[in-house]
Amino acid sequence: TQLLEQSPQFLSIQEGENLTVYCNSSSVFSSLQWYRQEPGEGPVLLVTVVTGGEVKKLKRLTFQFGDARKDSSLHITAAQPGDTGLYLCAGWTGTASKLTFGTGTRLQVTL
Amino acid sequence: DAGITQSPRHKVTETGTPVTLRCHQTENHRYMYWYRQDPGHGLRLIHYSYGVKDTDKGEVSDGYSVSRSKTEDFLLTLESATSSQTSVYFCAISDPGLKRNTEAFFGQGTRLTVV
Repeated sequence: TQLLEQSPQFLSIQEGENLTVYCNSSSVFSSLQWYRQEPGEGPVLLVTVVTGGEVKKLKRLTFQFGDARKDSSLHITAAQPGDTGLYLCAGWTGTASKLTFGTGTRLQVTL
Repeated sequence: DAGITQSPRHKVTETGTPVTLRCHQTENHRYMYWYRQDPGHGLRLIHYSYGVKDTDKGEVSDGYSVSRSKTEDFLLTLESATSSQTSVYFCAISDPGLKRNTEAFFGQGTRLTVV
């Protein structure tokens, strides 16, 4: 059983639509991160949220950390084909020594 | 890009044979990690290292061993490969200390097929 569960697992939408990806856990994390991975590459960090209730915006992407620091969400406004990829949430545990990843959400944005 | 090199990038091996994957970094980061990636599971931690000769198990360590004799190299060994170990393997590095916003940097992955 993985500590971090993401939903949905797959998402196929058209350009211009909005979407939200969820990352849930029964465990508390000192921080949560979101990574994006493109085919044939390793994941690349998008954002880190540290404080419960924190909201961070990165252009059309909005990230939120739950008040209890057990969950997070990623909202994309007006999705573009360039947003296509695998989105992974990840949490640091063990005094920031171990990074645990979620199950992943594969996003496909079509014209 | 962080200096992380995984080798080989692709490998096909037979069931029952030993396999060693190598991760080499030029960033002098203290922590190194091995993950495997399978559809529907995201990335799962196999083993990690917090210093030379200091390693610990992750969530899917059975059938794998690791060694770190130098800061820059972290080896993952499949003692006797099985078909269930067919996967894409990623190495990552970080230097967390007590920082809660530490970034992990990843290699490009090794695609391993066990036939």
